[in-house]
Amino acid sequence: NAGVTQTPKFQVLKTGQSMTLQCAQDMNHNSMYWYRQDPGMGLRLIYYSASEGTTDKGEVPNGYNVSRLNKREFSLRLESAAPSQTSVYFCASSARVGTASTDTQYFGPGTRLTVL
Amino acid sequence: AQSVTQLDSQVPVFEEAPVELRCNYSSSVSVYLFWYVQYPNQGLQLLLKYLSGSTLVKSINGFEAEFNKSQTSFHLRKPSVHISDTAEYFCAVRGTRALTFGSGTRLQVQP
Repeated sequence: NAGVTQTPKFQVLKTGQSMTLQCAQDMNHNSMYWYRQDPGMGLRLIYYSASEGTTDKGEVPNGYNVSRLNKREFSLRLESAAPSQTSVYFCASSARVGTASTDTQYFGPGTRLTVL
Repeated sequence: AQSVTQLDSQVPVFEEAPVELRCNYSSSVSVYLFWYVQYPNQGLQLLLKYLSGSTLVKSINGFEAEFNKSQTSFHLRKPSVHISDTAEYFCAVRGTRALTFGSGTRLQVQP
């Protein structure tokens, strides 16, 4: 039982390049999330998926797209990377359908992205 | 809308001393509060949460937090810290879509 896994762990991109961050969970959770973590700003929600087949924008969605590929996997895509997207990205999941629950969120280890 | 304020960005403390990490919140819906901990180079882990009932909640490793509705606070305390408690601590409130996190407090335990 690996919990939430993320790939890659580290990535360096040049401005304008694209990439996809992968996330998978093996806990049969229904809700999944993408956050970014920046110094002094805590975690900010980028996109979320309240159930398989649904996605919605969070607090800071601009420049990102997501795909809920199936119940296990939730990917985050940067179509044209910008230096402002340099950050640490965390994927998380929680058990029940609907993200406005009190369920514990389980986090992956993060992807550290640098955009030059 | 929900928001969380963690007033202290860093808290240095000596080993075996007590510590309090402050958290204030605002919420327009029912209040559910969480503390998460992030050890170096890891993701966040739930430390404790308040959903209802007793206003004092405890974790398995000696931390506790008290929900104070009148002061809109959920401060985290530990009577005696260890080196292994060195980490960043995030307070969070449940929002309408997901959790809203504070900016974090870095606890630095010194020998």
